[in-house]
Amino acid sequence: EAQVTQNPRYLITVTGKKLTVTCSQNMNHEYMSWYRQDPGLGLRQIYYSMNVEVTDKGDVPEGYKVSRKEKRNFPLILESPSPNQTSLYFCASNAGAGAYYEQYFGPGTRLTVT
Amino acid sequence: DQQVKQNSPSLSVQEGRISILNCDYTNSMFDYFLWYKKYPAEGPTFLISISSIKDKNEDGRFTVFLNKSAKHLSLHIVPSQPGDSAVYFCAAIKTGSARQLTFGSGTQLTVLP
Repeated sequence: EAQVTQNPRYLITVTGKKLTVTCSQNMNHEYMSWYRQDPGLGLRQIYYSMNVEVTDKGDVPEGYKVSRKEKRNFPLILESPSPNQTSLYFCASNAGAGAYYEQYFGPGTRLTVT
Repeated sequence: DQQVKQNSPSLSVQEGRISILNCDYTNSMFDYFLWYKKYPAEGPTFLISISSIKDKNEDGRFTVFLNKSAKHLSLHIVPSQPGDSAVYFCAAIKTGSARQLTFGSGTQLTVLP
């Protein structure tokens, strides 16, 4: 089954404690992205990757890091989480150009930073 | 500066009637538009898309209309069903850009039985 998986689904942590949210896709997609969803703001892109070792900033990259060492994985790293990073996070992948702009989303990770 | 705007945070419609969800964009470089549907505790799922070379695209009960001069698109759902109750996101992209999608803030559609 084609899917994007994220782990963990729920996470409560404290300010400053480094954390990683994993993302994996099994569709051999080149493009992967991270979004955060906040009330009234919709989905905002954090980082995206066009292929292995190729990443770039989205709209709200501050406080986040990513890496793309393998095509299937795109982890999101919060080196020193702060309460304003409390949000719902989605990983997504897509094949690229043409009809493949449609992104496939993971189920989301609810993060709370206290 | 939100380049894709959904000005109605919520919409309620009676079952069987038409639902119309609206979306405006400001970036004239956008030339491909998509609608996503999101249920609680799930990720968004792709619904329908339209290229700027068209002004209408239809898929079953769902039709998207694009008015390029007004920089406006709308999603029509006919007839609306209770299972359509979800948050609908409009998204846009400039084809060829590596930038990926720009999303609107979403509209919560509630279809009343």
